[in-house]
Amino acid sequence: EAGVTQSPTHLIKTRGQQATLRCSPISGHTSVYWYQQALGLGLQFLLWYDEGEERNRGNFPPRFSGRQFPNYSSELNVNALELEDSALYLCASSLSADSYEQYFGPGTRLTVT
Amino acid sequence: EDQVTQSPEALRLQEGESSSLNCSYTVSGLRGLFWYRQDPGKGPEFLFTLYSAGEEKEKERLKATLTKKESFLHITAPKPEDSATYLCAVQVFYGNNRLAFGKGNQVVVIP
Repeated sequence: EAGVTQSPTHLIKTRGQQATLRCSPISGHTSVYWYQQALGLGLQFLLWYDEGEERNRGNFPPRFSGRQFPNYSSELNVNALELEDSALYLCASSLSADSYEQYFGPGTRLTVT
Repeated sequence: EDQVTQSPEALRLQEGESSSLNCSYTVSGLRGLFWYRQDPGKGPEFLFTLYSAGEEKEKERLKATLTKKESFLHITAPKPEDSATYLCAVQVFYGNNRLAFGKGNQVVVIP
């Protein structure tokens, strides 16, 4: 069974630009979560989508946004990039909104110069 | 605010030298405590879920235990391939499903 996939693997942007990151959950999973892993800060919760709806967001500014498509894949958009947005962005999926376990993808490394 | 503290931050072990990693948590209404393994530059790999105090789970050389305030990940007779960062996370009954992570225990096993 294929795991969570993310693209691209690496992304280099300049300050002020926009970045789009993509995630495909495990087949059959309806919930998708986004986390940011910046150096020295640990994993921080960003967003949760289930059945196409945003269910919760973490303590991040509105320039971090996303959506979930009818096939349950998801997209994370970061507008007006700042240097401190450089991090590993991880997507996770779970079977449903009631499920406990979250399974992570390999991540997208975003570098802002 | 939910707090998760892992100790020690870094640990160097000789192959075969058993040890334990600690995860202390302060939450209201624990829904589950999770252990993950993360290799450099990769996503976290799910290891265990613990739901209530007294629960234990094992997988190969790893054993996770849970009390009302902390969890331990015991590594028995580690091998070099057990070298990784081990992450602890908690989830609470607020209906938002977010995982709150500790900063991890970086383990290096020397042959």
